[in-house]
Amino acid sequence: AQTVTQSQPEMSVQEAETVTLSCTYDTSESNYYLFWYKQPPSRQMILVIRQEAYKQQNATENRFSVNFQKAAKSFSLKISDSQLGDTAMYFCAFMKSFTGNQFYFGTGTSLTVIP
Amino acid sequence: NAGVTQTPKFRILKIGQSMTLQCTQDMNHNYMYWYRQDPGMGLKLIYYSVGAGITDKGEVPNGYNVSRSTTEDFPLRLELAAPSQTSVYFCASSSLGNGMSSNQPQHFGDGTRLSIL
Repeated sequence: AQTVTQSQPEMSVQEAETVTLSCTYDTSESNYYLFWYKQPPSRQMILVIRQEAYKQQNATENRFSVNFQKAAKSFSLKISDSQLGDTAMYFCAFMKSFTGNQFYFGTGTSLTVIP
Repeated sequence: NAGVTQTPKFRILKIGQSMTLQCTQDMNHNYMYWYRQDPGMGLKLIYYSVGAGITDKGEVPNGYNVSRSTTEDFPLRLELAAPSQTSVYFCASSSLGNGMSSNQPQHFGDGTRLSIL
């Protein structure tokens, strides 16, 4: 079974600063995908960034980047130049390849950006 | 571009009542999913479907039923509502991947907040 662990229930960061959210996962799969989703108070689930396990290069998307350590099964999200609109719940998610596209989500990290 | 549409957005049910949460997507996605999100928790998969006519149980299917008669629609049915089913329900869809070349994020609806009293 796959498990996704987010060990930081809550975090805060000053506006314009950088923050890193942690995620670890457990799997016996060799090919898989990892995602970070953002859930603002509106409750929508918004894709932030994604990473293919077979790619060594860390994914980046504007102010968002990941540190993917496959051997350590770690997938952290770095948010640079934090903005007030980044305040949200952030969920790390794991998707197995080939099999039903099932997602496994962590319990989330609540991020507050302080003006 | 509507994406994934869920109705209703809010609902209050009495214990033992039944209802159907509607979900429709206009992206011609093969895969559709129903999740529930309890307070302070991540999403738990209830049921999923890999195409019209095909459904399968997820992690927490008890107390729910689904059907997939068309590609677009994936309704979730609660037959005998119980307080433990008070939650926020999310429907999602994704296109059929192509093995290692696929990179298919899920598209989520806005959620349905359901309270069972």
